[in-house]
Amino acid sequence: DARVTQTPRHKVTEMGQEVTMRCQPILGHNTVFWYRQTMMQGLELLAYFRNRAPLDDSGMPKDRFSAEMPDATLATLKIQPSEPRDSAVYFCASGIRDGTEAFFGQGTRLTVV
Amino acid sequence: KNQVEQSPQSLIILEGKNCTLQCNYTVSPFSNLRWYKQDTGRGPVSLTIMTFSENTKSNGRYTATLDADTKQSSLHITASQLSDSASYICVVSEGGANNLFFGTGTRLTVIP
Repeated sequence: DARVTQTPRHKVTEMGQEVTMRCQPILGHNTVFWYRQTMMQGLELLAYFRNRAPLDDSGMPKDRFSAEMPDATLATLKIQPSEPRDSAVYFCASGIRDGTEAFFGQGTRLTVV
Repeated sequence: KNQVEQSPQSLIILEGKNCTLQCNYTVSPFSNLRWYKQDTGRGPVSLTIMTFSENTKSNGRYTATLDADTKQSSLHITASQLSDSASYICVVSEGGANNLFFGTGTRLTVIP
């Protein structure tokens, strides 16, 4: 059955290390979102792509975060260097252009120590 | 400023009872409003989505209402089950811009 797949599910890393999170959107979906969820802030939109082009990444700290879609089946979110305040669950979601629905992946739980 | 506020922040109810969760928003222009259920450790799953012209939509024991004039929505859960224990998130989509505004959620716990 169609689903958004994220890897890894969990990641523990030391401060200063590079972290790469991956997302495989549902086949045929042309819009991909990256969200971060913390207890304090809830869900925050980091970036989103349409047809692989970045449309909005204003929610993302530019100095350390980068998001790309090397092809239609893979979206990546990279943090370099990572900091303890980056600890959160990162969700990827995909949808179709009209924005009526967004399907979420299971998330990557990141812990930076 | 576009905002989505949910209440209560958390709720505990007995199995079998009904409950209603509230969502107030100031997002304008409005496109649609969605309710998501998020189980612990999992991604959000869509329950309902309503556009401006819809004022009620049901999905099994879940019924969502929307009053676009007062910018309020509610999610009513009937005959609650233990599996309803989750966070319920209200998400409002801004018209024309594809921006999504998230509430911080209501944490529902159903106890036997």
